[in-house]
Amino acid sequence: VQLVESGGDVIQPGGSLRLSCAASGITFNDYTTHWVRQVPGRGLEWVSLISWNGGITYYADSVKGRFTISRDNSENSVYLQMNNMTTEDTAFYYCAKGMDTSMVTPLAYWGQGTLVIVSS
Amino acid sequence: EIVLTQSPATLSLSPGERATLSCRASQSIGFYLAWYQQKPGQAPRLLISDVANRATGIPARFSGSGSGTDFTLTISSLEPEDFAVYYCQHLNNWPPSFTFGPGTKVDI
Repeated sequence: VQLVESGGDVIQPGGSLRLSCAASGITFNDYTTHWVRQVPGRGLEWVSLISWNGGITYYADSVKGRFTISRDNSENSVYLQMNNMTTEDTAFYYCAKGMDTSMVTPLAYWGQGTLVIVSS
Repeated sequence: EIVLTQSPATLSLSPGERATLSCRASQSIGFYLAWYQQKPGQAPRLLISDVANRATGIPARFSGSGSGTDFTLTISSLEPEDFAVYYCQHLNNWPPSFTFGPGTKVDI
């Protein structure tokens, strides 16, 4: 199982960015996919999830209304559209999948992360 | 909202010693608790699910216990590769939430 994030960049406050997560080695559309972020040197914060078919999405309060998660199972990919970004969104963003096909399950598979820096 | 507290913040031990890490929840969370290990520059790795179930490939020296509000991750005999940061995580079914604790750093 391999998850590869991309799209991290330096962005100005108020700007937008889209992250991608490409999966291989797994029946991608069986699994809920998550985004988890981590400010460098700090702890982990769950950001969002999307169900296997995209029908259910959830967000942390800190990003609700600004971030949108989506998926394209034909491309084995999940995306995180981040709008109206602030300096508090600066972090490594990890894509992750659960240990089974349940929506709420520990995260057994992680990508290597992509760094987003919000700075003027 | 459930808050997880981990103690101690840092645990300084030597290889071969036993490590006992604590995770306390602000209210009872049953058995919906997982543990992760994170080494510098790496993604987290799932160690334990449902309080006490080791994930695939996790050595037997790692064990989890507890229920309700108090949980423990024990490393029976530290190996050099075990020095890392450990996070507990509460999973809530509905509405879905995945709350992490602040972490415990195990260093030499």
